[in-house]
Amino acid sequence: QVQLEESGPGLMQPSETLSLTCTVSGFSLTSNGVGWVRQPLGKGLVWMGTIWAGGSTNYNSAVQSRLSISRDTSKSQVFLKMNSLQPEDTGTYYCARHRGYRNVMDAWGQGASVTVSS
Amino acid sequence: DIQMTQSPSFLSATVGDRVTINCKASQNINKYLNWYQQKLGEAPKRLIYNTNSLQTGIPSRFSGSGSGTDYTLTISSLQPEDVATYFCLQHNSGYTFGAGTKLELK
Repeated sequence: QVQLEESGPGLMQPSETLSLTCTVSGFSLTSNGVGWVRQPLGKGLVWMGTIWAGGSTNYNSAVQSRLSISRDTSKSQVFLKMNSLQPEDTGTYYCARHRGYRNVMDAWGQGASVTVSS
Repeated sequence: DIQMTQSPSFLSATVGDRVTINCKASQNINKYLNWYQQKLGEAPKRLIYNTNSLQTGIPSRFSGSGSGTDYTLTISSLQPEDVATYFCLQHNSGYTFGAGTKLELK
């Protein structure tokens, strides 16, 4: 059974660095990609970036300077790190599986809620 | 960047109705268009991928169509369990989501 589960701190201060983990099961990170998507409070979904099966990454240009996605295949985990947090980064962060370049986001985690506030 | 305009934003329908939701891309997306269902408090669920391919396990009352810039999700006979928010995703160039359609029962 394919599962993805996001975890991380729920409350962050402005200017801090967010670290989220996506732990997957039921599939291998060496043959599937994982993307991160966020939903700002009350707004639509926005793709943030993807790490592909081969380890390469693509980022949304709007957050590229602040974002890093990496993985530990032995632990079936994908990591998101985003620095210089601002209140507008508040929202729910999802990870989703990509089975291939043209077969994307077929399975999602439940999401991790992040609030950025002083 | 490709923009996706989804309509309507809100839809109220009766059980048994045929329901359609539309997404219009700002340029040709070559049928690389997925549809998702999200119920309150749940993870998004992929219904349709690449315009008209039904995800395994999804009821056949859901279907997708379209080409070029215009795409449609159709629910042939609305069921109570279909109450949810639906959104589209283009993955022809980058990834852009529609703003969502909230579907409720009349």
